[in-house]
Amino acid sequence: DSGVTQTPKHLITATGQRVTLRCSPRSGDLSVYWYQQSLDQGLQFLIQYYNGEERAKGNILERFSAQQFPDLHSELNLSSLELGDSALYFCASSPAGTEDTQYFGPGTRLTVL
Amino acid sequence: DQQVKQNSPSLSVQEGRISILNCDYTNSMFDYFLWYKKYPAEGPTFLISISSIKDKNEDGRFTVFLNKSAKHLSLHIVPSQPGDSAVYFCAARAGGTSYGKLTFGQGTILTVHP
Repeated sequence: DSGVTQTPKHLITATGQRVTLRCSPRSGDLSVYWYQQSLDQGLQFLIQYYNGEERAKGNILERFSAQQFPDLHSELNLSSLELGDSALYFCASSPAGTEDTQYFGPGTRLTVL
Repeated sequence: DQQVKQNSPSLSVQEGRISILNCDYTNSMFDYFLWYKKYPAEGPTFLISISSIKDKNEDGRFTVFLNKSAKHLSLHIVPSQPGDSAVYFCAARAGGTSYGKLTFGQGTILTVHP
C-alpha cells in the first residue's frame, strides 16, 4: 500500500459524458501527478500540481482538466468523453522537498461505451 | 517519439538465477532514472532509482546500472524469486522545467519459474 488513494476504482460511462476522478496523496506529500495508461500508449504523464498550483503539463487534452485543493487532494475532470479515453488513470504523489520518487495509487479504470 | 525504450517485451527466468532487464533512452537531458514494478490491477510500485552522477545503485537483491555514454540502464535481480513475476517499467526524469514529469518505457513482463 503506497498511501495514495484513488476513487472510484472502476467507472463505466457513455461517450459525451463528464467524469471526475479523485486522488488523495500520501500524508505530507505536496506534489500530485496524473498519468494515463492505455493499451497502445503505455504510461503517459498528464499533469503535475504542487501545493495547489500547476507545475508541469504533459500531453493532456483540452477536454481534460485537473486541480489540487487546499487539503492537497486532487481531481481530474474528463469531459466530452470518447471511446479512446478508456484507460487506467493513475495518480502519484512525491515527498515534500523532492520530486525524485513518485508513489502511485491503485488507479481508476475508466471504460467509455 | 519514444524517449525511453524497453526493447524486450518479456523475459523468462528460473528461480534463483539472475534477471536482467534493460532500458535505453535517447534524451540526454534525463538526469534521474527509476524502476517500477507493477502487478495486475495495482499501481506501479517504486523499486530503485539512480541519479546520473552515479553508475550503480544497490538495494538488497536489486541493482541498477547506468551507462551514460551508451544511454543505457539495466536492472539486475539476484536471486530471482517467483514473487518477482510482474511488469517492470523503466522511467526517466529530465532536469529543468520538466520538474517531476516521468517518461516511462513500455514495460517488460518478467516471469520467474519455480
